[in-house]
Amino acid sequence: AQTVTQSQPEMSVQEAETVTLSCTYDTSESDYYLFWYKQPPSRQMILVIRQEAYKQQNATENRFSVNFQKAAKSFSLKISDSQLGDAAMYFCAYRKFYNTDKLIFGTGTRLQVFP
Amino acid sequence: DAGVTQSPTHLIKTRGQQVTLRCSPKSGHDTVSWYQQALGQGPQFIFQYYEEEERQRGNFPDRFSGHQFPNYSSELNVNALLLGDSALYLCASSQAGQIMNTEAFFGQGTRLTVV
Repeated sequence: AQTVTQSQPEMSVQEAETVTLSCTYDTSESDYYLFWYKQPPSRQMILVIRQEAYKQQNATENRFSVNFQKAAKSFSLKISDSQLGDAAMYFCAYRKFYNTDKLIFGTGTRLQVFP
Repeated sequence: DAGVTQSPTHLIKTRGQQVTLRCSPKSGHDTVSWYQQALGQGPQFIFQYYEEEERQRGNFPDRFSGHQFPNYSSELNVNALLLGDSALYLCASSQAGQIMNTEAFFGQGTRLTVV
């Protein structure tokens, strides 16, 4: 069975600084997707970034980038130039190849951003 | 596009009662998945509906059941409520058959409290 582990329950960062959130996963599949979701107090899960396992290039979305290490089964999220609005719970998630497969989430990391 | 909408946003039920939660998927989506998110945890997959049938199911008892209607909207029913069923229930929609451009869109959830 696939598992996702987030070992940092809480992280904090100063505004404008950079922070990295860690995630490891376990799977025997070769093709799959990894995601980072943000959950603000409004509770809605918002997709931050997506990585296809067959792509060697790390995904980037504006201030958000990932470090995808397939052999190590590691998938970290780097937030650059942190903003107050980045404060939220961040969940790492795994999904098999097809888009209707279930998402498997980690336990989340609470990110605090200080001015 | 209203995105994924869930109702109600909050409700309080008594142990032993039954509850029905509702979800309307994002326009153009035909697959609905339900997740349970206990306090301080990541979402756990309950089940998924496609073409009005349950297609996948997570490790949840039969007290949890669902339905999908011809317009793709869905209901989650929980019978014989337990205190442990208190959680945020999230609905996610997606479009079956697509491999690329793959992501699930989430609603804002229903916060269920069992007393």
